[in-house]
Amino acid sequence: EPEVTQTPSHQVTQMGQEVILRCVPISNHLYFYWYRQILGQKVEFLVSFYNNEISEKSEIFDDQFSVERPDGSNFTLKIRSTKLEDSAMYFCASRAPGGTNYGYTFGSGTRLTVV
Amino acid sequence: AQSVTQLGSHVSVSEGALVLLRCNYSSSVPPYLFWYVQYPNQGLQLLLKYTSAATLVKGINGFEAEFKKSETSFHLTKPSAHMSDAAEYFCAVSDESWGKFQFGAGTQVVVTP
Repeated sequence: EPEVTQTPSHQVTQMGQEVILRCVPISNHLYFYWYRQILGQKVEFLVSFYNNEISEKSEIFDDQFSVERPDGSNFTLKIRSTKLEDSAMYFCASRAPGGTNYGYTFGSGTRLTVV
Repeated sequence: AQSVTQLGSHVSVSEGALVLLRCNYSSSVPPYLFWYVQYPNQGLQLLLKYTSAATLVKGINGFEAEFKKSETSFHLTKPSAHMSDAAEYFCAVSDESWGKFQFGAGTQVVVTP
């Protein structure tokens, strides 16, 4: 079964450093998403991406965050200057055209720890 | 705007007993509803989804959920709990246009022998 692949599975970074979280969505999917889950809290929507541009973003997704699809296969989330409160599990998701009927697949996540 | 409320952050059940996890939703459009399971240090695995077909939805691992519009509920059940069902369970709602999910706060299930 097709999978959404996220790398790395765990990343530790120092406060103020830039991090890039990588995702390889399912190949025929066109809609891409990032979510995050702070330890012990619920999963929160960050951003959706379609046709090489952001479709929607939450209030969490401030100027420190950016997304891009640099090469047609990878989908990345960049945090420019990490803060302690950015420590969380970050999930990538992708879905095929046609609405959520057609499947919405999450990756296994990247655990980001900011020290 | 959409939201989900999961009643009970922790549920403890005996092995072999009924598992019942409650989810109520709020949506301005006909909702798409989902249940996900998360095992420790793992990602989100889809258990089942409601997409306006049958109101009783069967999922993996013996779970099922019933969509009740009048009660705005989508409760998850399993007749007989197994030790392997110990995990966190998330209810989520989406509309069709964007597919953005709003997740509930989650319910941690503990299964006792």
